[in-house]
Amino acid sequence: QKEVEQDPGPLSVPEGAIVSLNCTYSNSAFQYFMWYRQYSRKGPELLMYTYSSGNKEDGRFTAQVDKSSKYISLFIRDSQPSDSATYLCAMIRNAGGTSYGKLTFGQGTILTVHP
Amino acid sequence: DAGVIQSPRHEVTEMGQEVTLRCKPISGHDYLFWYRQTMMRGLELLIYFNNNVPIDDSGMPEDRFSAKMPNASFSTLKIQPSEPRDSAVYFCASSAPGVTEAFFGQGTRLTVV
Repeated sequence: QKEVEQDPGPLSVPEGAIVSLNCTYSNSAFQYFMWYRQYSRKGPELLMYTYSSGNKEDGRFTAQVDKSSKYISLFIRDSQPSDSATYLCAMIRNAGGTSYGKLTFGQGTILTVHP
Repeated sequence: DAGVIQSPRHEVTEMGQEVTLRCKPISGHDYLFWYRQTMMRGLELLIYFNNNVPIDDSGMPEDRFSAKMPNASFSTLKIQPSEPRDSAVYFCASSAPGVTEAFFGQGTRLTVV
């Protein structure tokens, strides 16, 4: 069983829809939770990161973490064609010492927003 | 800064040949990571360095894979001999001290025929 599970989709939605992307994880040692966005033939780029359980909002994007359920989500409001990309959840076991950037990724969800 | 620079962008080689992938991290970053991405397995961490020293190479699939970081501005990932199952996109990433974000390069798309 993988430490981080993510439905690879693909997910296709009309422009303006609310998109919900989700990941589950099995290792309670994960402390930092991130969402990366990867456009075709590009490297992943950090979209958002959270540390504690709860919600974090940034424009049209909301990241949600529920540590008790080991479940994280990314919501995209008013989705746009430019949001079409692969979204990868990622986690870090601890914040100190040599663990920075040692990301464990989900499989990635391919999202297409059509006009 | 130009970001993390990887070369080559594309590499096609024959089975059994040696392949060397190169990476220049962002100046001032002291962590460097090599990832491999495939459709089947997603993004996997192969190895990472801190201050040019390999810290964890448990993700390196086999002895055919090796990585070096001779100085703070350069790293290589070598596959010798290469096999078709090594075909993937290889990413290099770097991060700064005390920062959780890793910055990725554009990747090297490797095809072994």
